Amino acid sequence: AQSVTQLDSHVSVSEGTPVLLRCNYSSSYSPSLFWYVQHPNKGLQLLLKYTSAATLVKGINGFEAEFKKSETSFHLTKPSAHMSDAAEYFCVVPLDMRFGAGTRLTVKP
Amino acid sequence: DTGVSQDPRHKITKRGQNVTFRCDPISEHNRLYWYRQTLGQGPEFLTYFQNEAQLEKSRLLSDRFSAERPKGSFSTLEIQRTEQGDSAMYLCASSLMARGAPYEQYFGPGTRLTVT
Repeated sequence: AQSVTQLDSHVSVSEGTPVLLRCNYSSSYSPSLFWYVQHPNKGLQLLLKYTSAATLVKGINGFEAEFKKSETSFHLTKPSAHMSDAAEYFCVVPLDMRFGAGTRLTVKP
Repeated sequence: DTGVSQDPRHKITKRGQNVTFRCDPISEHNRLYWYRQTLGQGPEFLTYFQNEAQLEKSRLLSDRFSAERPKGSFSTLEIQRTEQGDSAMYLCASSLMARGAPYEQYFGPGTRLTVT
């Protein structure tokens, strides 16, 4: 079975600085990978998805992620954090319905 | 409304009682999933259906839990003899599975269960 590991349970950045949320996967083949976001008291929303096409994937709200097979990683980035980005972020292997433990992003003014 | 809906949104019950939750997926979606999420954790897969067939159940799903999707549309999740450890947010999601490709799951708002 495939699985994902989110390397940071909590990331804190200042508004306007870059965001990096890390996700490593374990699989014997290139999996499909998604990132979801969950704002407080709101439902889960898909940010972006990788399905073996382009390795650099652009999502909503200025987020993007790069699939790196050599590093078995699918890190989520954003050049400039906004206060509204504060949320919980989950890396997901969709075929196995497995969510990572999540990374809580805090954005300081 | 084209989203996933869940009912009720909140449920408070006493230990030992049975509870049932309902999920209405997006109409054209053939897959329906149930997850459980506790505070500070990611969603934990419970079970999923493709049309009316229940294809997988998590080993974490005890015999007190049962789910149905009788006509391949809405689904119910029943918990019998609830325990305090069942207190959690129960999430439903639906997706379209075609040609083996994993399409995104659309999540409902969840049902928050509190067992007292």
